[in-house]
Amino acid sequence: DAGVIQSPRHEVTEMGQEVTLRCKPISGHDYLFWYRQTMMRGLELLIYFNNNVPIDDSGMPEDRFSAKMPNASFSTLKIQPSEPRDSAVYFCASSPGGRSYEQYFGPGTRLTVT
Amino acid sequence: GDSVTQMEGPVTLSEEAFLTINCTYTATGYPSLFWYVQYPGEGLQLLLKATKADDKGSNKGFEATYRKETTSFHLEKGSVQVSDSAVYFCALSDSSASKIIFGSGTRLSIRP
Repeated sequence: DAGVIQSPRHEVTEMGQEVTLRCKPISGHDYLFWYRQTMMRGLELLIYFNNNVPIDDSGMPEDRFSAKMPNASFSTLKIQPSEPRDSAVYFCASSPGGRSYEQYFGPGTRLTVT
Repeated sequence: GDSVTQMEGPVTLSEEAFLTINCTYTATGYPSLFWYVQYPGEGLQLLLKATKADDKGSNKGFEATYRKETTSFHLEKGSVQVSDSAVYFCALSDSSASKIIFGSGTRLSIRP
């Protein structure tokens, strides 16, 4: 299996622009998680899905952030409009669910907002 | 709520030294416990896990034992290598929500 795939790996954009991050989970995994990692705040869970349905979005920082999972093999995290404080590494992870809570992380997208 | 507390870094050791990274947890019920490792520029990878009390997880020379009486899951390695330099995260499963709760991470640097 190719593992969790994220694109792009790096994104540089100007403040006010829309940013879309993409994730393809491991086939057969029922759960998908979006995290943000910064030096100041560490690793934060933003939102997670079960069978394509959002379960908990309490970690989404504000209305500028939105996430969708239109099917089992694709999810997006969108920031509109972007701000410099959104600069971070964004990780997607997937998990098979059931009695296994192990999560498998993608390589991350490094976002820089100037 | 459930939480994980791990020792703050950075931790700097010489090659072949003994490593311990402390981790304690607070949880209701009987969580699974994990150690994840993050190498520079990469995502987190599962290093080892334990699913019940007294279980020992092990991988790549690292070990951790699930201690229910002390609510601990300390990570140990007998002889570290430069290639072990990374950030290590202790974590527990939140069974009520099917997710993992991560500690704040401990940065480990190994000197040649």
